[in-house]
This record gives sequence, structure tokens and C-alpha cells, in this order.
Amino acid sequence: DVKVTQSSRYLVKRTGEKVFLECVQDMDHENMFWYRQDPGLGLRLIYFSYDVKMKEKGDIPEGYSVSREKKERFSLILESASTNQTSMYLCASSPLQGLISTDTQYFGPGTRLTVL
Amino acid sequence: AQSVTQPDIHITVSEGASLELRCNYSYGATPYLFWYVQSPGQGLQLLLKYFSGDTLVQGIKGFEAEFKRSQSSFNLRKPSVHWSDAAEYFCAVGAHSGGGADGLTFGKGTHLIIQP
Repeated sequence: DVKVTQSSRYLVKRTGEKVFLECVQDMDHENMFWYRQDPGLGLRLIYFSYDVKMKEKGDIPEGYSVSREKKERFSLILESASTNQTSMYLCASSPLQGLISTDTQYFGPGTRLTVL
Repeated sequence: AQSVTQPDIHITVSEGASLELRCNYSYGATPYLFWYVQSPGQGLQLLLKYFSGDTLVQGIKGFEAEFKRSQSSFNLRKPSVHWSDAAEYFCAVGAHSGGGADGLTFGKGTHLIIQP
């Protein structure tokens, strides 16, 4: 089975802190994604990556950056956390290059981040 | 750009009754369609997907969905629900944009409540 793990299930940070959310997948997938999930808004794509050291902006990249130094690991970085970044963050991976929007994505359990 | 509408925010169904969750999409070409389920505190799990071929798709946990191009719909059905089906359900569409944001576009979700 594909396994996508996220470093924390719950995280509480203060405004202005630098926050790292880590995601690891064990199936050698090329593509990895970060979404945020908010009530009434569904899932929104923040960033995705289709290869090591490659990244593409999603629909809501402002206030976030990402890092992919190894194929299995994709990190989401909040440079200076703000209260409006309080949310559930979901990482996903998918197996193919090319038509990445058409491939099944496998999700981690999520990290619920609270910024005070 | 593609979009997904799930018209029902909440649905309540009695245990043992049939279920239909609605999903309408907007996309110019043949879409790639997905249904995911999210149990409380969990990540998203793929129920089923449609890429091409037979328009009636079978998934896990006894779910099925039917792609209707003329109605731009991909409704999810189950003949008899169980209490364990209580969850949030997301419809998603994938499309190769050729540039810009990629990844799946999700609906806002339908929260399914099962009455005993």
C-alpha cells in the first residue's frame, strides 16, 4: 500500500514563527502536492512538485514556500506564520510524470496547524 | 479552468437507505473524475475514478458513480448505507492544463450524516 506520512498531526505555533511541515512518501512517486483544507472551501492547492528540486505554484501560494531535496520528501514552509494560515494541511503524492492532474493522488493524514 | 460543484453541503440518510451524492463539473474536454472520502481526523481516501470507457464505475466499499457527459455530472451512489459511511465526500476533476496550476480541483465537499 502507498503510504504518505506527515510529521505532525497537530501543531501550534505563534504569529511570526517559521513553520516547517514535512511529508514523506514511500512509493517512489514523482509528484507531490500540498493542499490546505478549510471548512466550506474544500481543498485548495498550494504548491506541487513533479521532480526533485522542481516546484510549481498552485492556486494559493502566497505566504508559503516549498522544498524538495529528495524524491520522497516534500516540505511546506511558512516563512512567517500568520493567524489566517490556521488550517488543515494535506500532503499527497501521485505516481506518474506528465499528466499529473490526471493521476490518482494518495493523501497523508493531515496536519492541523493552529497559529496563535 | 476546470471547476467542481457539490450542491449539497450536508446530507442526512437513514442507515440502510440508498444514497446519491451529486457532483457537477465544468471542463471543456473529457475530464478525469474522482471521488474521495475523508473520515473524521483522517486524510482522503480514493473511492473510485473515471478516466474513460464504461461510464458506470465501481469503487471500494460498495460505492459506484456514473459519468453523464450530457449533464456534466459524476454522481456517487450506494444502494444501502452503513453507519461507517458517515464522512466528508469530495468530488474532484483533473485536467491537463498545459501550464499554470495543476493538480486536482476539488469540490467543497458533502458531509454525510447517517441516522440510526
